[in-house]
Amino acid sequence: DAGVTQSPTHLIKTRGQQVTLRCSPISGHKSVSWYQQVLGQGPQFIFQYYEKEERGRGNFPDRFSARQFPNYSSELNVNALLLGDSALYLCASSLAWDFTYEQYFGPGTRLTVT
Amino acid sequence: AQKVTQAQTEISVVEKEDVTLDCVYETRDTTYYLFWYKQPPSGELVFLIRRNSFDEQNEISGRYSWNFQKSTSSFNFTITASQVVDSAVYFCALSEWGSGANSKLTFGKGITLSVRP
Repeated sequence: DAGVTQSPTHLIKTRGQQVTLRCSPISGHKSVSWYQQVLGQGPQFIFQYYEKEERGRGNFPDRFSARQFPNYSSELNVNALLLGDSALYLCASSLAWDFTYEQYFGPGTRLTVT
Repeated sequence: AQKVTQAQTEISVVEKEDVTLDCVYETRDTTYYLFWYKQPPSGELVFLIRRNSFDEQNEISGRYSWNFQKSTSSFNFTITASQVVDSAVYFCALSEWGSGANSKLTFGKGITLSVRP
């Protein structure tokens, strides 16, 4: 069975631009979460969606938004990019909506903002 | 607020040595879940173990073992007879059950383990 997939793998953007990252969960998983991992740090929770509804939001500015589609895939959008948005963006899928089950992570999208 | 502390930042051992990775957590909930993940150089986080707050039994899986102690709010991870392939960053994580809209998974900063041949 295919694991969590993310696209693109790498991305270079300029300050002020907008970016869209994509994620496809494991088949049968209805929960998708997004995390930002800055170099040398642990992943920081951004959003969680379950059954196409936002279930959780971390401490990120409104420049960050996300949505989940009927096939449970998800997009993360970041507007007005800042240098500090440079990071590895991880998507994870899970069976449960409340983080009581393990999350399965994708390979991530490496975003560089110049 | 939930918090995970991994005080060790980097550990270097020689192959076949045993190594213990420490994890201390903070939570106000009585029901919570703890996890360990491994992040090899490729970058993809790999799930290792999940434990709920009501199950304090230690667990062994091959060369890996976990020691959960609620009295000290610790969930430590031991690798016995380490191998070069164990080299990775290891994260401990915590989720609180029933947090509703505030439900999330909180990670520690990670421990970089280097196993030298």
